[in-house]
Amino acid sequence: DVVMTQTPVSLSVSLGGQVSISCRSSQSLVHNNGNTYLSWYLQKPGQSPQLLIYKVSNRFSGISDRFSGSGSGTDFTLKISRVEPDDLGVYYCGQGTQYPFTFGSGTKLEIK
Amino acid sequence: QVQLQQSGTELVKPASSVKISCKASGYTFTSNYMHWIRQQPGNGLEWIGWIYPGNGNTKYNQKFDGKATLTADKSSSTAYMQLSSLTSEDSAVYFCARRGGGYYFDYWGQGVMVTVSS
Repeated sequence: DVVMTQTPVSLSVSLGGQVSISCRSSQSLVHNNGNTYLSWYLQKPGQSPQLLIYKVSNRFSGISDRFSGSGSGTDFTLKISRVEPDDLGVYYCGQGTQYPFTFGSGTKLEIK
Repeated sequence: QVQLQQSGTELVKPASSVKISCKASGYTFTSNYMHWIRQQPGNGLEWIGWIYPGNGNTKYNQKFDGKATLTADKSSSTAYMQLSSLTSEDSAVYFCARRGGGYYFDYWGQGVMVTVSS
């Protein structure tokens, strides 16, 4: 199985600040069709996960441009700028390139 | 708008089975894969498998082979997951999630908490 390693496990940021979350995969996430199926999700407290970013850098409908994704191959990053109170929760990366689909263990974002 | 409405909390006994549902609305049910994902208490996310309601095809994470059975009813736009031979390890929240245009999950149900206890 593809192992997804997220760092850090948790981080604390002031409102208005910027954070980066790293996600590394144990194998390349480039699919046979040339796409890279790396996505990012946010699970707010008591809620189900919501899609933020798909295929590395594409923002899902309605997602603020404060969220941006980058990376390639096995190394990916989610950046959140101008952090707002509603951004708190656990962020997961996930891969859909190889079966079984797998997720990182999550990064908990707290607001200082 | 796309909505996935899941059934309610389940408290079940060890060695029994449970069937949970996920009713889809706001899109063509038969045109999108439906995935199921598990979240054990305090843990991350585990992919269980998918069903394509258009033809009933399924694919499972080997880890859940024999544990989970996915079905879909086109007439009611509802996907189901049956979990069998339940143990305490199966206590978790189970989400259904629609596959988007690629291999990612664009809409999620609210989750069903399944507790296995005697």
